[in-house]
Amino acid sequence: QSALTQPASVSGSPGQSITISCTGTSSDFGTYNLVSWYQHNLGKAPKLMIYEVNKRPSWVSARFSGSKSGYTASLTISGLQAEDEAHYYCCSYAGSVIFGGGTKLTVL
Amino acid sequence: QLQLQESGPGLVKPSETLSLICGVSGDSFTRRAYYWGWIRQPPGKGLEWIGSIDSSATYYSNPSLKSRVTMTIDTSKHQFSLHLRSVTAADTAHYYCARITIYGVAHDAFDVWGQGTMVTVSS
Repeated sequence: QSALTQPASVSGSPGQSITISCTGTSSDFGTYNLVSWYQHNLGKAPKLMIYEVNKRPSWVSARFSGSKSGYTASLTISGLQAEDEAHYYCCSYAGSVIFGGGTKLTVL
Repeated sequence: QLQLQESGPGLVKPSETLSLICGVSGDSFTRRAYYWGWIRQPPGKGLEWIGSIDSSATYYSNPSLKSRVTMTIDTSKHQFSLHLRSVTAADTAHYYCARITIYGVAHDAFDVWGQGTMVTVSS
């Protein structure tokens, strides 16, 4: 099972919106909607941002949203802020856990 | 507030066994509502799920690592462990433990993470 496919990098200016895609196959996503997204800064613990495709934990800003269409999941960050700069990873469960390769978000 | 803390040797020799412990503080450890997992990140690479264990000591592993992974849990000590056999330089990574919410019997989200510990495989 290979990693889910994410763009290596995305960038945006403060206040803009960006979307990070996460593409897999039918075997990566199965019939579950168990897609989650994590924010990771080097030297820190990864942080859950989205679960079950589009649900937000209580500690996550409403600027973060998730969606899924077919075998592509997406994370959208609106009103980009400097503090959003980090690596983002998608994750899916379909009998086994698989992560995406990660996307470096740069806030210009 | 739930906290997880990884501990173990920072240096392991090739062909030996890498053993890590994750200590859990908080009252959710014995509840059946969670799995407890290990994830790693090799330098310059992405996250990789290693495996997960439940409170009854049943564990699930990444198919690519399954032959080398054993996991144990000690509910009385509020800790769970990872044992990775026959390590090579490719096993050099930051190792994280995490709590995993469950959807039915499926892995849902990794909602609480430890800070991670770096393990280097070298002679």
